[in-house]
Amino acid sequence: QKEVEQDPGPLSVPEGAIVSLNCTYSNSAFQYFMWYRQYSRKGPELLMYTYSSGNKEDGRFTAQVDKSSKYISLFIRDSQPSDSATYLCAPVSGSARQLTFGSGTQLTVLP
Amino acid sequence: DVKVTQSSRYLVKRTGEKVFLECVQDMDHENMFWYRQDPGLGLRLIYFSYDVKMKEKGDIPEGYSVSREKKERFSLILESASTNQTSMYLCASSGALAEESTDTQYFGPGTRLTVL
Repeated sequence: QKEVEQDPGPLSVPEGAIVSLNCTYSNSAFQYFMWYRQYSRKGPELLMYTYSSGNKEDGRFTAQVDKSSKYISLFIRDSQPSDSATYLCAPVSGSARQLTFGSGTQLTVLP
Repeated sequence: DVKVTQSSRYLVKRTGEKVFLECVQDMDHENMFWYRQDPGLGLRLIYFSYDVKMKEKGDIPEGYSVSREKKERFSLILESASTNQTSMYLCASSGALAEESTDTQYFGPGTRLTVL
């Protein structure tokens, strides 16, 4: 079993839709949780991160962590065609400071 | 502006060749990483380095080696390239480990390597 499981999609939504991207993880040592966005033919870039259970909002993006069920989500409100990318969840083990990436979910927002 | 550069965007090599992938960062970061990215498998860590001349194996080091002679440069070496090493290779760097650090890793654009 992989340490981080992520639905690969592809996911296709109309512009303006609310998007929900999800990951589950198995390692209780993960202390904080990052979301990276990767546009086609580019390297990943950090979108947002959160330390604790609960929600963290940044503009149209909300990251949610439920440590009790080892479930992390990224919500995108009012999705735009420019949000079309692959989204990677990346929990971090505090002791090792290494990222463990999910396989990524490919999102397409249709105009 | 943060910058991680990789020597080539596309590379085609033959089986058995020795391949060098170069990565340079201009942020004075201590930590550097090499990943490969394959469809359905995501990013997998090959090697990383926390300091000059220091290296640690990641999850899939077999068939690879690395070199870090200078702080800003981290090289990935395929001693004898094989077809199963055809992949996208991504380099990343991050700042010093700190108590409340996000350990944000900054990625280069990637090198798409094809081994024939």
